Amino acid sequence: DIVVTQSPLSLSVTLGQPASISCRSSQSLVYSDGNTYLNWFQQRPGQSPRRLIYKVSNWDSGVPDRFSGGGSDTDFTLKISRVEAEDVGIYYCMVGTQEGLTFGGGTKVEIK
Amino acid sequence: QVQLVESGGGVVQPGGSLRLSCAASGFTFSNFGIHWVRQAPGKGLDWVAFIRSDGSNEYYADSVKGRFTISRDNSKNTLFLRMRDLRVEDTAVYYCAKISYSSNEDYWGQGTLVTVSS
Repeated sequence: DIVVTQSPLSLSVTLGQPASISCRSSQSLVYSDGNTYLNWFQQRPGQSPRRLIYKVSNWDSGVPDRFSGGGSDTDFTLKISRVEAEDVGIYYCMVGTQEGLTFGGGTKVEIK
Repeated sequence: QVQLVESGGGVVQPGGSLRLSCAASGFTFSNFGIHWVRQAPGKGLDWVAFIRSDGSNEYYADSVKGRFTISRDNSKNTLFLRMRDLRVEDTAVYYCAKISYSSNEDYWGQGTLVTVSS
């Protein structure tokens, strides 16, 4: 089974400064069709999760372009170019396969 | 607009049963597979089960296999999760989610809380 590990566990960022979250997989996430189904989710306090990024680097609807995803194979990164107050929450990477979903443990982002 | 509304949560004793529902609207329900994802209090997201659009295949996390059953009624645009032999560790908010891996379509319900306690 795929194991997905995020780091750091938490991040304290000054408003307007960048932030970066790492997601590492125990095996290559390149699927048999050539795609890499690595997703990033945001969960604000008291809210349901919301996806930000799909297939490594594609934005979901309404996602600000200060969020960006990158990486390949087993190493992936979510970057926030300039953190805003509304970005406070927990961020999860997730791998989707035909059999189900595997989530990373989450990274808590707070404002310094 | 797409809406997913979960219901059926509550307090149940260990060993008990519960059935959750997820009412879908705003899209052609019968065309899409749907997931159940749960989140224990203060913990991360934990995938539970998935069912294909026509109900032909079901997939489960090892932690619930043999105890939970996912099903759907496409005539009523409703997804179900039948939970048996519930354990304290099943206590969580349960979300239904429509997640496309290849396009910008990601929808989650508001969740329903299941508490397993004596």
